[in-house]
Amino acid sequence: ELKVEQNPLFLSMQEGKNYTIYCNYSTTSDRLYWYRQDPGKSLESLFVLLSNGAVKQEGRLMASLDTKARLSTLHITAAVHDLSATYFCAVDGTSGTYKYIFGTGTRLKVLA
Amino acid sequence: DAGITQSPRHKVTETGTPVTLRCHQTENHRYMYWYRQDPGHGLRLIHYSYGVKDTDKGEVSDGYSVSRSKTEDFLLTLESATSSQTSVYFCAISSSGGAGNNEQFFGPGTRLTVL
Repeated sequence: ELKVEQNPLFLSMQEGKNYTIYCNYSTTSDRLYWYRQDPGKSLESLFVLLSNGAVKQEGRLMASLDTKARLSTLHITAAVHDLSATYFCAVDGTSGTYKYIFGTGTRLKVLA
Repeated sequence: DAGITQSPRHKVTETGTPVTLRCHQTENHRYMYWYRQDPGHGLRLIHYSYGVKDTDKGEVSDGYSVSRSKTEDFLLTLESATSSQTSVYFCAISSSGGAGNNEQFFGPGTRLTVL
């Protein structure tokens, strides 16, 4: 059974600080996705990582994928309050099924 | 924004009644998904569709059925709603597989309360 684990589940950090969210998954997959969700809202796609070693950056967020370690990271640089949200990673299911499995999410709160 | 709508957006119903949620897309994407979101569980896949009349179960499919008679519409039915099905339901779409990145786009969600 494919499992996707994120840590930490909750993260409270000061503005200007750096931090990393981790996403571990239990089966071979070379596709990993990061989403953002604001309270009461839908999910917004942030990054699509399609191969080992893939790195994507957008503003203060950078995502990377290590398929050998079955690990993706979402790094936050110099956090600002607007980054407060819940972040989800998701893995494309077993080959060819396109069944996505989501992590339980990391709730990030950036304090001014 | 991807053209995905869900209806209704909010619904309160009673235990034992049937409920149908609708997802409509204007993107002509092949794949459509239904998820439920509950605190502490993230998003869990209920059912998905890979084409008209082609559907498959997800990890939490018990008590739910789906139908897709047109590319643009994907219906989720709770045959006899139970309180454990109180949740927020999200529809998502993605383009075809193969070389595509299969990025998912989500609808606005439906908040369902079963009393």
